[in-house]
Amino acid sequence: GAGVSQSPSNKVTEKGKDVELRCDPISGHTALYWYRQSLGQGLEFLIYFQGNSAPDKSGLPSDRFSAERTGGSVSTLTIQRTQQEDSAVYLCASSLSRSSYNEQFFGPGTRLTVL
Amino acid sequence: SQQGEEDPQALSIQEGENATMNCSYKTSINNLQWYRQNSGRGLVHLILIRSNEREKHSGRLRVTLDTSKKSSSLLITASRAADTASYFCATASGGSYIPTFGRGTSLIVHP
Repeated sequence: GAGVSQSPSNKVTEKGKDVELRCDPISGHTALYWYRQSLGQGLEFLIYFQGNSAPDKSGLPSDRFSAERTGGSVSTLTIQRTQQEDSAVYLCASSLSRSSYNEQFFGPGTRLTVL
Repeated sequence: SQQGEEDPQALSIQEGENATMNCSYKTSINNLQWYRQNSGRGLVHLILIRSNEREKHSGRLRVTLDTSKKSSSLLITASRAADTASYFCATASGGSYIPTFGRGTSLIVHP
């Protein structure tokens, strides 16, 4: 594939609803990251997948957030019972492997607005 | 918490001028990376500098690293309007494979 893709590009939802955000990483990339970026802020790490290993969930802000990666490729980030403070741009990135020396390739992000 | 912090938060210059932005960090690092984020787009990797390197160049970009001061600088020479973007540093420390990003420097280059 050409790059990391994310869908939807924009999502508006009502408080209390569940949302699912999708990430398609670059083919062959074994490492996949989810970040959250609030307006004017840096990137906040959420969760990391590497191959078939157990994911690093240390950045998830609450138990309303979960993510899975099926078949070592596509990943879905789920936010249950959304709150207004969940409004942000959710960015997905992939890299060739788990080494921190590898460049991360980012998707365009999903802008989530919780009304 | 943020590991890297960029300075200044915002920078406004004229086309043709040089732009310098800095990144300071708290703990020892394995490497430091700079990324650019254009309005409405994802982040793009610019350059990676390892902890045993002091300077690196890529086109109009020059990155320096001073591990004794725990700081890095990104210099963009002969800036262009298309360089208008936010610039982030990301650091990786110890055994962590998860880069930690700062809040970024917002650069505006006026044509």
